[in-house]
Amino acid sequence: GAVVSQHPSRVICKSGTSVKIECRSLDFQATTMFWYRQFPKQSLMLMATSNEGSKATYEQGVEKDKFLINHASLTLSTLTVTSAHPEDSSFYICSARDSSGVADTQYFGPGTRLTVL
Amino acid sequence: GENVEQHPSTLSVQEGDSAVIKCTYSDSASNYFPWYKQELGKRPQLIIDIRSNVGEKKDQRIAVTLNKTAKHFSLHITETQPEDSAVYFCAASISFQKLVFGTGTRLLVSP
Repeated sequence: GAVVSQHPSRVICKSGTSVKIECRSLDFQATTMFWYRQFPKQSLMLMATSNEGSKATYEQGVEKDKFLINHASLTLSTLTVTSAHPEDSSFYICSARDSSGVADTQYFGPGTRLTVL
Repeated sequence: GENVEQHPSTLSVQEGDSAVIKCTYSDSASNYFPWYKQELGKRPQLIIDIRSNVGEKKDQRIAVTLNKTAKHFSLHITETQPEDSAVYFCAASISFQKLVFGTGTRLLVSP
């Protein structure tokens, strides 16, 4: 299947700092990428839909000024957690939609574990 | 918006037994239903999916059934193996857009 990478895989930061997470589709172009957050032993919750060349669409309850999303190219979307606090500690996973073939499928990145001290 | 419920939350079976996980969805416009397997600390892996124009799909030991009228779909794993132990998530989507996930089922297969 298609490959989606995420960087960094884990990050520990101090409260108040900003953290940028990159999501790349390595072998296909993704006009749409999605950002999810997963707390321990819970399901994946969609945070926002990232569309190449336009503003992201945020889910209800997700602060767009806190979670900045940029999808500047067909293979890269970034999520910046601004002024991170301990309650932002979570597993952040991106997915990229591959609609180029017969099957329209989302492929997930390996995730980024964020720990805010 | 779409709401997906998943049952059971945990499922313990003996190796070789079958396992069934059930999901219901609320939005009749949903037409794509994937199932993901997630191991601890790893990314979700797509194991099978079904589109609304199909009632059943099978891939070796894994099968998914869809009842559009009742708005529910199920994952069936036959001849379970210890390596099937993981958390399984169902999801629903409208035209391959955003996925709404179920709450997950922790499957434990004992040797």
